[in-house]
Formats: sequence, C-alpha cells, structure tokens
Amino acid sequence: DAGVTQSPTHLIKTRGQQVTLRCSPKSGHDTVSWYQQALGQGPQFIFQYYEEEERQRGNFPDRFSGHQFPNYSSELNVNALLLGDSALYLCASSSRLAGGHHTGELFFGEGSRLTVL
Amino acid sequence: AQTVTQSQPEMSVQEAETVTLSCTYDTSENNYYLFWYKQPPSRQMILVIRQEAYKQQNATENRFSVNFQKAAKSFSLKISDSQLGDTAMYFCAFMKSLADKLIFGTGTRLQVFP
Repeated sequence: DAGVTQSPTHLIKTRGQQVTLRCSPKSGHDTVSWYQQALGQGPQFIFQYYEEEERQRGNFPDRFSGHQFPNYSSELNVNALLLGDSALYLCASSSRLAGGHHTGELFFGEGSRLTVL
Repeated sequence: AQTVTQSQPEMSVQEAETVTLSCTYDTSENNYYLFWYKQPPSRQMILVIRQEAYKQQNATENRFSVNFQKAAKSFSLKISDSQLGDTAMYFCAFMKSLADKLIFGTGTRLQVFP
C-alpha cells in the first residue's frame, strides 16, 4: 500500500518564477493538506482540500493556490516566487469516516524541497 | 489563537536511557487533540503518539508515553529505552478538532548516542 507520494523531491527556481508541486494521497484517503516547513522551523499550514474544494486556509498570500482532482490527488501552485518561499513543502492526507467526520490521523509525504535563488 | 511552544531546541541521551521532551501550548478550547510527530532525516513526518484532551489517562505507545497536564497546558513526551533509531526532530502539535489544521511547535532535535 503506497503512502503519500510527492513530486518532485527537489527543485530549484529563480525569483519571479512559478512552481507546481504534486501530491498523491494514501490509498483510501480523500483529504489533502499542505504545509510549508522553513529550515529549522515547524510546519505551517497552507490549506486543506476535500471534495475538490479548499476548506481551510492558513495565513498565506494569494500567490499560493491549490487544486484537488477527482482522484483526490492535489497540486500546490506558487506564483511570483520570493526568496522566502524556499522551504520543504509537505503534503499530508487523511480520511473521513462514513458520516463525513475526519479521523484526524494525518499521513505525511517526504516533501518537496524548493530552493528559490 | 492557539500556540505550541517547545523550549528545548536540542536534547541528547545515551542508548537505553530515558529522555523527556517538553511541550506547552495555549488554547481556550476545552476539547482538542495533541500529537507528537517524529521527523527523521528522511523528512517524512511520522506520528508517534496522540492524546485526546477529554481523556484523563495518559497515552502510551510501546516505549513512548506522554504526561498530559491539562490545567498546566503541558504535554511532555517520555522515550524509554532510547534507541539509535530514535534520533530525529520531534514536533509537538495541537489540533482544535479532527477536521482542523495541525499547529506545530518549533521542534526538539534529539540525538541518541551509543
């Protein structure tokens, strides 16, 4: 059973460029959350998707956007990259019970390391 | 707003010994969830243990146990019989409800020495 997979694992961009990061959730999971982890810091919540809609959003500018596809996979897009966007981007997936209640058990991928020069 | 504080940036312990990592949090909620996550050099965040605030009994998972003090808003992690594979960053995290986001502390780097 594959866990959460993220791609690419590493990438380098220059300021002003745009980047797309991808995440496939663990089998059976329908909810995807994205976190940004700057060097030496704890992860910060970016947003959460389920049923193909953004459900919650953290304190991140509109340059950060996302999408969830019918197969529950997700993309994180960052436009107009800044040096401060350099970080590890973590995707976490979780599931909901039959009544739509979240289990609260998040499974994380290994992340995408973004370096902005 | 909820906050999570880990005041020990680094800890070290000898193999087979016991170590305790500290965590405090601030919230006005009465029901919530607390977690300890481990992040080894492979970068993948792994759940170590989870505590529901409405449960008075402290959670345990094999060599890992917590000391949950709700009134003091304290949630420490005890690792018994430390192993080399326990070397990692450990993050304390808070979740207001099971549908909500995780709020992480800044982490404690644990080094286990032979």
